Amino acid sequence: AQTVTQSQPEMSVQEAETVTLSCTYDTSESNYYLFWYKQPPSRQMILVIRQEAYKQQNATENRFSVNFQKAAKSFSLKISDSQLGDTAMYFCAFLSGTYKYIFGTGTRLKVLA
Amino acid sequence: NAGVTQTPKFRVLKTGQSMTLLCAQDMNHEYMYWYRQDPGMGLRLIHYSVGEGTTAKGEVPDGYNVSRLKKQNFLLGLESAAPSQTSVYFCASRPGSTGELFFGEGSRLTVL
Repeated sequence: AQTVTQSQPEMSVQEAETVTLSCTYDTSESNYYLFWYKQPPSRQMILVIRQEAYKQQNATENRFSVNFQKAAKSFSLKISDSQLGDTAMYFCAFLSGTYKYIFGTGTRLKVLA
Repeated sequence: NAGVTQTPKFRVLKTGQSMTLLCAQDMNHEYMYWYRQDPGMGLRLIHYSVGEGTTAKGEVPDGYNVSRLKKQNFLLGLESAAPSQTSVYFCASRPGSTGELFFGEGSRLTVL
């Protein structure tokens, strides 16, 4: 069975600094997607970044980038120039096949002024 | 743009009562999902649907039923609510061609 593990329940970072959130997963599939979702205090989940497993190049979206290590089954999220609005719960997610997403337990990130 | 809309946003029930959560999406998405979110446990899939008229069980289906009579709506029912069903419920949808999930704002349910 596929699993997603986020080993950091809580993290904090100073405003304008860089922080990396860790995610590891376990699967025997070769084709899959990986995602990072953000859940701010308002509660609604929004997509931060997506990575297709067949792409070797790491995905980047403005201040957000990933370090995708397929062999190590690792998918970390780097947030550069952290802003107060980045304070949120971050979920790593895995999608293989057509239907089911598997989510990690989340990392609560607090950006300090 | 409405996206995914959940109603109600908040509800308090007594043990044994029944209720239905409604999820509506206006993006013509094929797939729809119901998750529950509990502290320290992330999101757990209750039921999902891959198209109108179809439903399937997720990892925590017991105590819940669903229906997808129309493509745009996915209903989650609790026939006899229990305190263990106190949670925040999220509906999500996605098109068949991409992997991104679009979430509703969540519904907080408390069972006393």
